[in-house]
Amino acid sequence: KAGVTQTPRYLIKTRGQQVTLSCSPISGHRSVSWYQQTPGQGLQFLFEYFSETQRNKGNFPGRFSGRQFSNSRSEMNVSTLELGDSALYLCASSLGSGEYQETQYFGPGTRLLVL
Amino acid sequence: DQQVKQNSPSLSVQEGRISILNCDYTNSMFDYFLWYKKYPAEGPTFLISISSIKDKNEDGRFTVFLNKSAKHLSLHIVPSQPGDSAVYFCAKVGTSYGKLTFGQGTILTVHP
Repeated sequence: KAGVTQTPRYLIKTRGQQVTLSCSPISGHRSVSWYQQTPGQGLQFLFEYFSETQRNKGNFPGRFSGRQFSNSRSEMNVSTLELGDSALYLCASSLGSGEYQETQYFGPGTRLLVL
Repeated sequence: DQQVKQNSPSLSVQEGRISILNCDYTNSMFDYFLWYKKYPAEGPTFLISISSIKDKNEDGRFTVFLNKSAKHLSLHIVPSQPGDSAVYFCAKVGTSYGKLTFGQGTILTVHP
């Protein structure tokens, strides 16, 4: 079974621009979560989608948004980029069985650099 | 409010010996705990998990122990191999969909 895939792997943008990152979950997985990893803040939860609906959201500004499609693929968007948005963005998928306690499997991440 | 803490930033171990990575958490009855291994610029790789109804879970060289009274869990790797050198994160899931709360990570170095 193929793992979680994320595109692009690397991205360079300038302040004020917007960016869209894509994630394809493991086949059969219906829940997709997004995380941001920075040296200062570690791994932080952005949001989670299931059945095209956002079920949970972390403490990030409204510039960070996402969506999920009917095939469970997900995208996240960051508008009006700031220097502090430079980070590794990770997507994780899980079965979406309805239980809270599921194992999440991560993709390789997208490294975003904002200049 | 840091719910998961890994107090040791780094650990150095000789090949073949045991590596013990520790994690403390704040009070929660229904948590599910996971350990991940991570290389720089890559996504975390799932290693092993444990439910709060168990005290121990074992998978090959990896064993996780949960001490609920001390709110502490530990990952034992026996025997340690140089390929185990990476950052190890503990994480927990509470009663919240899709949200993993991670510790700060511990850098494990296994010397040949």
